[in-house]
Amino acid sequence: AQSVTQLDSQVPVFEEAPVELRCNYSSSVSVYLFWYVQYPNQGLQLLLKYLSGSTLVESINGFEAEFNKSQTSFHLRKPSVHISDTAEYFCAVSEDQAGTALIFGKGTTLSVSS
Amino acid sequence: NAGVMQNPRHLVRRRGQEARLRCSPMKGHSHVYWYRQLPEEGLKFMVYLQKENIIDESGMPKERFSAEFPKEGPSILRIQQVVRGDSAAYFCASSPPSGKATGELFFGEGSRLTVL
Repeated sequence: AQSVTQLDSQVPVFEEAPVELRCNYSSSVSVYLFWYVQYPNQGLQLLLKYLSGSTLVESINGFEAEFNKSQTSFHLRKPSVHISDTAEYFCAVSEDQAGTALIFGKGTTLSVSS
Repeated sequence: NAGVMQNPRHLVRRRGQEARLRCSPMKGHSHVYWYRQLPEEGLKFMVYLQKENIIDESGMPKERFSAEFPKEGPSILRIQQVVRGDSAAYFCASSPPSGKATGELFFGEGSRLTVL
């Protein structure tokens, strides 16, 4: 059975500092990996995804994540965060490229302060 | 283009009452998913439906919960005889038909159920 572990429930950082949100998964088969972001009182939005190909994937707002098969990880990073990045971030795994059975981690709350 | 529409956004029920949550998927999407989000927990998959079919209900509680996605109209998640433990945010998501799927689910803004 698949599972996702987000090791940090809360990550407080100052503006312009780098950040890493950790995600580890377990699965017996090949997986597809996703990061979703949830702003307060909103639904989830896809931030980035790994389906195949390059193990380093990027989002349009400066986040990146690297699929590491040997360490079963898909950590999310940003070299310099903004106040507007404050949100909850969810890592998710699926054995189906269509993401039809997404299994989510418990989420990491990123709080950026000035 | 309208996104995934959920209503009501907030619903208050007393114990024993019924709760009905509605979800209209994005235009062109034929797959609907329901997830439940409890405080301090991630999203838990409940059910995956296509028009008139339940594809995967492995996350649905065995009693009191049901879901449907009729040929016409929105998908409905129904909770009978609600209890306080049902208080949560319920999110609906949709995706295109399998052949056009990109691995992305499109989420609504959620329905927040409070059971008094």
